[in-house]
Amino acid sequence: EPEVTQTPSHQVTQMGQEVILRCVPISNHLYFYWYRQILGQKVEFLVSFYNNEISEKSEIFDDQFSVERPDGSNFTLKIRSTKLEDSAMYFCASSAAGDSSGNTIYFGEGSWLTVV
Amino acid sequence: AQKITQTQPGMFVQEKEAVTLDCTYDTSDQSYGLFWYKQPSSGEMIFLIYQGSYDEQNATEGRYSLNFQKARKSANLVISASQLGDSAMYFCGPPGNNRLAFGKGNQVVVIP
Repeated sequence: EPEVTQTPSHQVTQMGQEVILRCVPISNHLYFYWYRQILGQKVEFLVSFYNNEISEKSEIFDDQFSVERPDGSNFTLKIRSTKLEDSAMYFCASSAAGDSSGNTIYFGEGSWLTVV
Repeated sequence: AQKITQTQPGMFVQEKEAVTLDCTYDTSDQSYGLFWYKQPSSGEMIFLIYQGSYDEQNATEGRYSLNFQKARKSANLVISASQLGDSAMYFCGPPGNNRLAFGKGNQVVVIP
């Protein structure tokens, strides 16, 4: 069964450093997403991406964050100048379409980011 | 703004018993849907089941079923014949506008 893959599974970085989290969405999907889950809290939407541009973003997704689809398969989340509070699990997800009607969003296994 | 409410505290359920998890969706939309995802301790988000507001039947997927009450805009997840592997967090959320906003989740612990 096709799946969303994420790398790295876990990354430890020093405060102030830049981090790039990588994702390979399901190949025939057109919509891509990043979510964040701080330990013990709910999953929070960060950004959605379609047709090579951001289609929607949350208030969390400020200038510190950026996304890119550098080629036909990868989808990346860049976090500049990391802060302690950026420590979280980051989920990449993809879906065939962006509307409702049961277009399931499939999640990757997540990338744990620990900022020290 | 859309809001998903999952209010139950952590729940313990005996193995082989059924458990019901509540989810209500505060929305003015008449056409909507609700997804349920399972998050075990390993952290991944696993899609379980989906209910659309215009679906005539309650959604069913193996041991998972939804008790959909359209007037209340709720889609409660029923897990029948609980297994130890069902111990996890369960998140409910709607699609819409290219994003999925989850509730706070329900913690389920299945005890032998």
